[in-house]
Amino acid sequence: NAGVTQTPKFQVLKTGQSMTLQCAQDMNHNSMYWYRQDPGMGLRLIYYSASEGTTDKGEVPNGYNVSRLNKREFSLRLESAAPSQTSVYFCASRPTGESNEKLFFGSGTQLSVL
Amino acid sequence: AQSVTQLGSHVSVSEGALVLLRCNYSSSVPPYLFWYVQYPNQGLQLLLKYTTGATLVKGINGFEAEFKKSETSFHLTKPSAHMSDAAEYFCAVSVSSGSARQLTFGSGTQLTVLP
Repeated sequence: NAGVTQTPKFQVLKTGQSMTLQCAQDMNHNSMYWYRQDPGMGLRLIYYSASEGTTDKGEVPNGYNVSRLNKREFSLRLESAAPSQTSVYFCASRPTGESNEKLFFGSGTQLSVL
Repeated sequence: AQSVTQLGSHVSVSEGALVLLRCNYSSSVPPYLFWYVQYPNQGLQLLLKYTTGATLVKGINGFEAEFKKSETSFHLTKPSAHMSDAAEYFCAVSVSSGSARQLTFGSGTQLTVLP
């Protein structure tokens, strides 16, 4: 099983450039999430999607947009990258149901904005 | 709003020694609590979770954690550290918010195991 797949693994951008981080899961999960990880700050939620067709802002949504293309795919877009967006980005998914709280994470995208 | 505080960003122990990683939380509703582990260049993996029921929770790789409501704590322990336990550990609390449950993570504790 592939689980949660993120592409690319590494990316370097110049300030002002745009890019889309891709995420796909093959576990038929309803909920999907985008987090960023910064030293000393743990993981902070950017956006999440409870189901296909819905998205909601998390703790740090500014400068990002998301698209839940279908049940499998949840992409994160940076329209005009800034150095403050240098971070490691993780996509995650979760099965449906209150009793099932386990998040499944991708291996991350390391993004540098110069 | 919920929050998680992990005491100590770096913890070093000798191989075979007790591992104790501290986590305190705040939540206005009964929390679901988790410990995740992140090995180098990997995503996070669930180590253990507390939802309801028994307050002492056993996880993978010999780790366990005890939910203490009176102390608002969920500390992670392992009796004997192994070199393979070196990783970053994150405590997290889950509450319902809007259309989905969300996890709020602590800032992480880097565990170093010395030979």
